[in-house]
Amino acid sequence: EDKVVQSPLSLVVHEGDTVTLNCSYEVTNFRSLLWYKQEKKAPTFLFMLTSSGIEKKSGRLSSILDKKELFSILNITATQTGDSAIYLCAVQGGSEKLVFGKGTKLTVNP
Amino acid sequence: EPEVTQTPSHQVTQMGQEVILRCVPISNHLYFYWYRQILGQKVEFLVSFYNNEISEKSEIFDDQFSVERPDGSNFTLKIRSTKLEDSAMYFCASRRQGAIVDTQYFGPGTRLTVL
Repeated sequence: EDKVVQSPLSLVVHEGDTVTLNCSYEVTNFRSLLWYKQEKKAPTFLFMLTSSGIEKKSGRLSSILDKKELFSILNITATQTGDSAIYLCAVQGGSEKLVFGKGTKLTVNP
Repeated sequence: EPEVTQTPSHQVTQMGQEVILRCVPISNHLYFYWYRQILGQKVEFLVSFYNNEISEKSEIFDDQFSVERPDGSNFTLKIRSTKLEDSAMYFCASRRQGAIVDTQYFGPGTRLTVL
């Protein structure tokens, strides 16, 4: 059965800190790994990773995938209070469905 | 920027009642999905839909659930006889036609409360 494990489950930091969120997975016929940000309701798409070792970057957020070790990390530098959210990792295997982890709840304090 | 929309944002119903949750996917998307998230738990896949038929469904998606694309824009999830354990946030998602490796975009969700 496909599985996604995120760590830590919860993280509290101060503005300006750098954080690293982890996602490990087991999936049959891996196709992609996706990161979403969930504030209040809708998961908002951040990154999709399909190839190992290629960093995706958007502003202060970046992510990389290691297909050999079956994990991905999401880095956020110079955190702001607006980064407070639940960050979801999901994988897609050989079918349409996304399999999600439990998420990491990030709280950024002023 | 185009986005997936869902209505209503919150629905309260009595156990045993039928509910219909509505979604308007992004206009040029052709693959549609429903997921649910029970409070405090993971987002779980329910069903995928393409070309007017179900392409995949999970074990959660039993005979009480059905999906429909009644017209060119709406995509609905019907729960025939709601149970207490159906209380959850229901998310609709869509993606473009094309390679299976493509991003699914999520709507804001409908919070269903079954009393």
